[in-house]
Amino acid sequence: DIQMTQSPSTLSASVGGRVTITCRASQSISTWLAWYQQKPGKAPKLLIYDASSLESGVPSRFSGSGSGTEFTLTISSLQPDDFATYYCQQYSSLPYTFGQGIKLEIK
Amino acid sequence: QVTLRESGPALVEPTQTLTLTCTFSGFSLSTRKMCVSWIRQTPGKALEWLARIDWDNDKYYSTSLKTRLTISKDTSKNQVVLTVTNVDPVDTATYYCARSPSVNKLDFDYWGQGTLVTVSS
Repeated sequence: DIQMTQSPSTLSASVGGRVTITCRASQSISTWLAWYQQKPGKAPKLLIYDASSLESGVPSRFSGSGSGTEFTLTISSLQPDDFATYYCQQYSSLPYTFGQGIKLEIK
Repeated sequence: QVTLRESGPALVEPTQTLTLTCTFSGFSLSTRKMCVSWIRQTPGKALEWLARIDWDNDKYYSTSLKTRLTISKDTSKNQVVLTVTNVDPVDTATYYCARSPSVNKLDFDYWGQGTLVTVSS
């Protein structure tokens, strides 16, 4: 199985600031990567697919990049609604696997 | 408008079989290349993909759980069913169903709200 690693587990940032979240795959997954946002008590919400494509309806302050084994999710101009947990997920090969998640907290 | 909703028992005893149903609307699993998966989230918040069923009835399972999982669909009812045999307390989790719009686009673009299942005697 492909292992997805996100670090650190918690990140603090300020409203209006910029944050970059990293996800690493244990082997190359090309650009078969998605990013999800999850708030307490809710299902994950798709933000980015194919590593850098913005899902319809997602604000343009969210962007994704990377290929192979290193990926980033960047949120520019953080809004109060952005403080949540973020997961990466690979769909390059079965079984699909998720990172352990990064909780973004308000500084 | 695409929606998915999971249903099933909230409490299951160890060794029993858990049956979960995903009822969806706004799309059809008879549409070419459409897929539905089951994913669970443990109390510690880890997400684990469990199984996938495709429009053509192809089925795929988690490596570690494949002997205990069965996924099926009823296209006429717009439902996907997951059974988990011989449950254990470690199977306690929130279970989600989610759609992938194509076998060529395998991210999960729509999710159900999830159903919490506790395995306990």
